[in-house]
Amino acid sequence: GDSVTQMEGPVTLSEEAFLTINCTYTATGYPSLFWYVQYPGEGLQLLLKATKADDKGSNKGFEATYRKETTSFHLEKGSVQVSDSAVYFCAPTRNTGKLIFGQGTTLQVKP
Amino acid sequence: NAGVTQTPKFQVLKTGQSMTLQCAQDMNHEYMSWYRQDPGMGLRLIHYSVGAGITDQGEVPNGYNVSRSTTEDFPLRLLSAAPSQTSVYFCASSYLLTGGDEKLFFGSGTQLSVL
Repeated sequence: GDSVTQMEGPVTLSEEAFLTINCTYTATGYPSLFWYVQYPGEGLQLLLKATKADDKGSNKGFEATYRKETTSFHLEKGSVQVSDSAVYFCAPTRNTGKLIFGQGTTLQVKP
Repeated sequence: NAGVTQTPKFQVLKTGQSMTLQCAQDMNHEYMSWYRQDPGMGLRLIHYSVGAGITDQGEVPNGYNVSRSTTEDFPLRLLSAAPSQTSVYFCASSYLLTGGDEKLFFGSGTQLSVL
């Protein structure tokens, strides 16, 4: 079945540092790829998405590129802020209804 | 437009008690689902539905029942609560997932403790 592997956290960075959170997936066919973010005490919300190979999703300074050849969708940000502290989830989506999430990566940004 | 509304926000149960977690959405979404979130386990899919009258199991369905009598509502029932069901539960909805750019809308969660 489909599966997602995210880098383990917590990831602790200083403000303005560069961020990478790795995500690789296994899925039949070519899913759409999503990153969701969960701020403390809240539900998940969509951060960015890419629907086909080589597409780049971007939002709030975050970017991720759909790499079909490596089945990856790594999340990056050039300069993190304290307000980016949250849990980040990678999620490949196919048309089966069974939307599977990675285990989540906790990001802590210190001033 | 309230989005996805979950009730209650917090609940404490004793082992063996039953209860229903409520979920309602006002966006006319066909797809609804329930997840549980546990430390180190991420989000795990319990049950999902692609329309009224249609439900299916996710990764961890045991101990939970669902029904979808209307498009708007998707309640999750715990028949006989166990300590292993202590978790944070999230309901989510979307237009039908076609492998395109549909996104999930999440409720704010229900924190359940089973003693």
